[in-house]
Amino acid sequence: DSGVTQTPKHLITATGQRVTLRCSPRSGDLSVYWYQQSLDQGLQFLIQYYNGEERAKGNILERFSAQQFPDLHSELNLSSLELGDSALYFCASARGNTGELFFGEGSRLTVL
Amino acid sequence: QQQVKQSPQSLIVQKGGISIINCAYENTAFDYFPWYQQFPGKGPALLIAIRPDVSEKKEGRFTISFNKSAKQFSLHIMDSQPGDSATYFCAASISTGTASKLTFGTGTRLQVTL
Repeated sequence: DSGVTQTPKHLITATGQRVTLRCSPRSGDLSVYWYQQSLDQGLQFLIQYYNGEERAKGNILERFSAQQFPDLHSELNLSSLELGDSALYFCASARGNTGELFFGEGSRLTVL
Repeated sequence: QQQVKQSPQSLIVQKGGISIINCAYENTAFDYFPWYQQFPGKGPALLIAIRPDVSEKKEGRFTISFNKSAKQFSLHIMDSQPGDSATYFCAASISTGTASKLTFGTGTRLQVTL
């Protein structure tokens, strides 16, 4: 158990809809990262937050947004969903600024 | 733009054999090179990591070899066991203040047979 909690574990929705994925980091970790994992793209970095502020941005679509709240949990919002957005979305947290990330078990999104 | 190239895509090794996974990077600003292990239905978990000022790091049966001049690093799993069957990802990161962007390779699916 990494200590990172993600909800929901599974989500099925239709094209055009909007969903919110939630992440609770390990106790004491200030950084939260979001990654997308699909079969053909591997693990793609989306965005990083540190203590409530955006710190690094990857290949995140404009239809996607994220935020980190004062209690350090984070939410990833995916809107105007397309079939190609179907993937596993992982949240990870870290205490420092190295690559030592602790991943949750992911949220599997299926867009029909 | 893929900055970390990983090979092979899949690997089958007999129990007791050596598993070798290779990665190459382009950006010389990378300063941390971790390997992650992922089992089906689970998130990736940190296995072992190395910094560019060290050429080798060993933890139990797992060893990272790092060649800074060639911009390559590899994971060696000695005495491979069926329980090692998983997907392995190499990664590289640049740490700047409180920002850290971890770039992953495409993964290697390892199967250890009896």
